Parts: sequence; structure tokens; C-alpha cells
Amino acid sequence: DADVTQTPRNRITKTGKRIMLECSQTKGHDRMYWYRQDPGLGLRLIYYSFDVKDINKGEISDGYSVSRQAQAKFSLSLESAIPNQTALYFCATSASGTQETQYFGPGTRLLVL
Amino acid sequence: DQQVKQNSPSLSVQEGRISILNCDYTNSMFDYFLWYKKYPAEGPTFLISISSIKDKNEDGRFTVFLNKSAKHLSLHIVPSQPGDSAVYFCAASLSSSNTGKLIFGQGTTLQVKP
Repeated sequence: DADVTQTPRNRITKTGKRIMLECSQTKGHDRMYWYRQDPGLGLRLIYYSFDVKDINKGEISDGYSVSRQAQAKFSLSLESAIPNQTALYFCATSASGTQETQYFGPGTRLLVL
Repeated sequence: DQQVKQNSPSLSVQEGRISILNCDYTNSMFDYFLWYKKYPAEGPTFLISISSIKDKNEDGRFTVFLNKSAKHLSLHIVPSQPGDSAVYFCAASLSSSNTGKLIFGQGTTLQVKP
């Protein structure tokens, strides 16, 4: 079984709709991250969380919100989806330490019409 | 402001030859660097890393070189295999900040031809 899972894997939605992307991990890591990938831009950090009570904005948090429901679950919400949020979304986890390696889920492909 | 740059969007190499992927960074405070490989429809997978106290780290066919004075790192794959065809991302972090945040480059698509 995969250590980091994301649901759904693909989603098509319409402008203005609220959607939620979910991430679960069985690695026992305390830190979780949400990224988006756009062609030619690499991965950019949306939000990250060090534990259930610690949520931090990344470089592109506008238009997004997150919830850390448990150590193993971290969800990303688009309150009112817009077409330029069409992208690949990745969840990642890491164990806190001085030189951390992040482990990624398989991604969610989101299309906003 | 792109702090980590991969200036070559793509690279094509013959099977058995060496693949060299390059990455430049602007923040001299970065002290930990990683390479990830990504296949289509999958998430990035960790490949190899290097701390700023080293200038080389090797793992099988993969070697990462770090040139701190030039703010440059490279990934060497020898010999290249068709299964190495993927998108490669370099990433950098400031471990002293204790945020775990990674700054990624744009990625380089490697094609290894049989």
C-alpha cells in the first residue's frame, strides 16, 4: 500500500464551486505539505503543517485553505475555484529534523472549467 | 524571483551514455539539496541528496556534485537507461530555518533513447 495517498486522482469542476482534495499518510510523519505543479514552474508550496495545531502559508496560498484533521490527514480546499487553479496538486510528508526529505503522494489532476 | 533554476527544459541522451542535469541557485544560505524524479501520472520520488558540507554524493548510478562557490549542482547518471526517462527536479532547503520547506526548480525532462 502507498505511504501517501491522495483523493481524488482526477477532478473536473466548474468556476465558483468549492472542492476539497484529501491527503492521508501512513508514514507516521508529523509534517505535511501541499504543492501545485504548473508547466514550466516546477512545484510551488501552497500550505504546510507541522502538526495538527500548526498551519502555515506557503508562497501561493491565496484562494486556498487547509485543514489538518489528524496527524495523518491534511486536506486542501478551493473555496471558489477559478480556471487558473487548474494544475497538478501534490501532497507531501516529512519527519521533522535538520535535513528533511519529503515524500510525495501520486497527485490530483484538477481541471476548473 | 526564481531561487532555484534548471535552465534546460529537456535533455536527450543515448542509452549507456552519461546524463548530466544541471541546477543553479541564488541563495547562498541553502544548505541541503535534493533531486527528485517524476514519471507521468505519479508523484515525485526522492532520488539523492547532498549537504552543503560535501561536494559529492554517490548512490549507484547516480552522483550529485555541489559547487558552492558557483551556486551550482549537477546530477550525473551513468550509464543512462531508458527507464531513467522522466522529469527531474532539483530542490534546495535552508535546514537551519527548521521549516522543512523545499524550493524547487522548474524541472528537466530527460529522454534516454535505446
